[in-house]
Amino acid sequence: NAGVTQTPKFQVLKTGQSMTLQCAQDMNHEYMSWYRQDPGMGLRLIHYSVGAGITDQGEVPNGYNVSRSTTEDFPLRLLSAAPSQTSVYFCASSPRKGSSGNTIYFGEGSWLTVV
Amino acid sequence: AQSVSQHNHHVILSEAASLELGCNYSYGGTVNLFWYVQYPGQHLQLLLKYFSGDPLVKGIKGFEAEFIKSKFSFNLRKPSVQWSDTAEYFCAVLRPYGQNFVFGPGTRLSVLP
Repeated sequence: NAGVTQTPKFQVLKTGQSMTLQCAQDMNHEYMSWYRQDPGMGLRLIHYSVGAGITDQGEVPNGYNVSRSTTEDFPLRLLSAAPSQTSVYFCASSPRKGSSGNTIYFGEGSWLTVV
Repeated sequence: AQSVSQHNHHVILSEAASLELGCNYSYGGTVNLFWYVQYPGQHLQLLLKYFSGDPLVKGIKGFEAEFIKSKFSFNLRKPSVQWSDTAEYFCAVLRPYGQNFVFGPGTRLSVLP
């Protein structure tokens, strides 16, 4: 049981390039989400999904796309990278929405630098 | 607006000192409350959580937190910190039928040996 797996761990991009951060979980969680972490701002929600085929925007969705074709995978796409997207990205998952006792489980993070 | 605030941006303590990190949230009604810890260069790990029942919650590594509903607070405590507690600490709130966790901005704890 690997939990939440993110790749790559480190990436440097040039402004305007596109890339995909991969996220997979093997806990059969319905809910998955992407956060970015910036100094002094905590974690801010980018996009989330409550199940396969369903995605929605979080607090800071601009410049990012997501899809959820399977329960296990939730990739985050940067369409045209900008220096403001330099951040640490965390994928997370948790059991079904609304269930009592929900806990969120995080991946190990992806450090992205846009130059 | 939904928000979670943490009182201190950076706390510096000597080993064996007592710790209290403040957390306040702005929702009415029932909430689930969490404290997560992030050691340098690592991902977030759950320290403790409160869903219902006894408002004093014990977590891993000697940490505890007290939920005070009237004050909308969930402060984290540890009687005696160690150098290995140096990390960033995040308070988070989940409404039971909500979908998204809302995190506070974090408090960086530095413990001096």
